Amino acid sequence: GAGVSQTPSNKVTEKGKYVELRCDPISGHTALYWYRQSLGQGPEFLIYFQGTGAADDSGLPNDRFFAVRPEGSVSTLKIQRTERGDSAVYLCASSPGTSGENIQYFGAGTRLSVL
Amino acid sequence: GNSVTQMEGPVTLSEEAFLTINCTYTATGYPSFFWYVQYPGEGLQLLLKATKADDKGSNKGFEATYRKETTSFHLEKGSVQVSDSAVYFCALRDTGANSKLTFGKGITLSVRP
Repeated sequence: GAGVSQTPSNKVTEKGKYVELRCDPISGHTALYWYRQSLGQGPEFLIYFQGTGAADDSGLPNDRFFAVRPEGSVSTLKIQRTERGDSAVYLCASSPGTSGENIQYFGAGTRLSVL
Repeated sequence: GNSVTQMEGPVTLSEEAFLTINCTYTATGYPSFFWYVQYPGEGLQLLLKATKADDKGSNKGFEATYRKETTSFHLEKGSVQVSDSAVYFCALRDTGANSKLTFGKGITLSVRP
């Protein structure tokens, strides 16, 4: 596709449930990032993939959060036992992953609401 | 760790007014700097960037200069338009092309006709 695609655009779930958020990066981009944006705040880093491997997962808040990128393209962010405090917009970004400018391009985000 | 501080908002201006949005930072190493913009109902878009000290980034009439001596990357525009109404985020990227971005809180700009 032309840009980073995230699905669903909105997700409403109940406390304690499991959710999966999907990110389809720009074709050919080897680097993929997940961020979380709470209301009135800037995006906060969660995890970065280079290819299939997580190169930096230092931003994951706890072990309820997990992300995969099994074939080096699409990524899924998984949240177990959701809590109300997980409500936020989850943003995905991709970049070419090579040296140079390596700009991160963002998707429109998935708005997660935990009731 | 690295941090980015943006001036408090929101900011409301009349069309053709001069705009300054302050951004200061703390960082180690040799970061790069970015301004991203989020128009209503849309995702984050890169507005401009600067990758080394004293670099000036510019786009769509907006400018920002990476000033190491004042640890700043303030955004300016000489004459704003209604279409500039959006949320603006300052961000830095650690040394290393694939490093994460650290964002400021963002500031909402509204431009009146």
